[in-house]
Amino acid sequence: NAGVTQTPKFRVLKTGQSMTLLCAQDMNHEYMYWYRQDPGMGLRLIHYSVGEGTTAKGEVPDGYNVSRLKKQNFLLGLESAAPSQTSVYFCASSQAPDSGANVLTFGAGSRLTVL
Amino acid sequence: RKEVEQDPGPFNVPEGATVAFNCTYSNSASQSFFWYRQDCRKEPKLLMSVYSSGNEDGRFTAQLNRASQYISLLIRDSKLSDSATYLCVVIGSNDYKLSFGAGTTVTVRA
Repeated sequence: NAGVTQTPKFRVLKTGQSMTLLCAQDMNHEYMYWYRQDPGMGLRLIHYSVGEGTTAKGEVPDGYNVSRLKKQNFLLGLESAAPSQTSVYFCASSQAPDSGANVLTFGAGSRLTVL
Repeated sequence: RKEVEQDPGPFNVPEGATVAFNCTYSNSASQSFFWYRQDCRKEPKLLMSVYSSGNEDGRFTAQLNRASQYISLLIRDSKLSDSATYLCVVIGSNDYKLSFGAGTTVTVRA
């Protein structure tokens, strides 16, 4: 009963380095999301996907790219990390929002520090 | 104006007390509302949905006031384990966009 699994849980990067966060869900959910959470800001949507092979921008997409090559996986990439990207990143998945079962299931989070 | 606003608190209450707080939303066409609970350094988890008629789940009561565009959460007989941050989530009617509040922190003391 894994639900949503994120890797890695912690990472420290230097400015300019690149990295990929992996999100995997085993619930056959159509929708997947990447959020970042910063103190006092709440959860902000970076990118999301409504199905395999599709991605869309959220409210804070700059500096990030995503891919959804398989339904169960949603990858978040940082091409050139900046200190402003220091944050806690949460992946989430759900059934289609108009399905009546639009509850989000979150992963445990990935804490990223960019020096 | 933020789409979803919450009083950040913290609300410090003794065990057994009742605590209540609101969440206001700006989009009058919003259709679905939820309360999530987030423990320190953990992921958010669904606490309860908020129905138009209001709903209870044990010691927790959620209400929706569409006229004034806010939802509320009331916790009765507070337990130490209720200490957490409570996130309000609002879903739009057209694009099903989820908007999160920044959270209300509740601390229950012995």
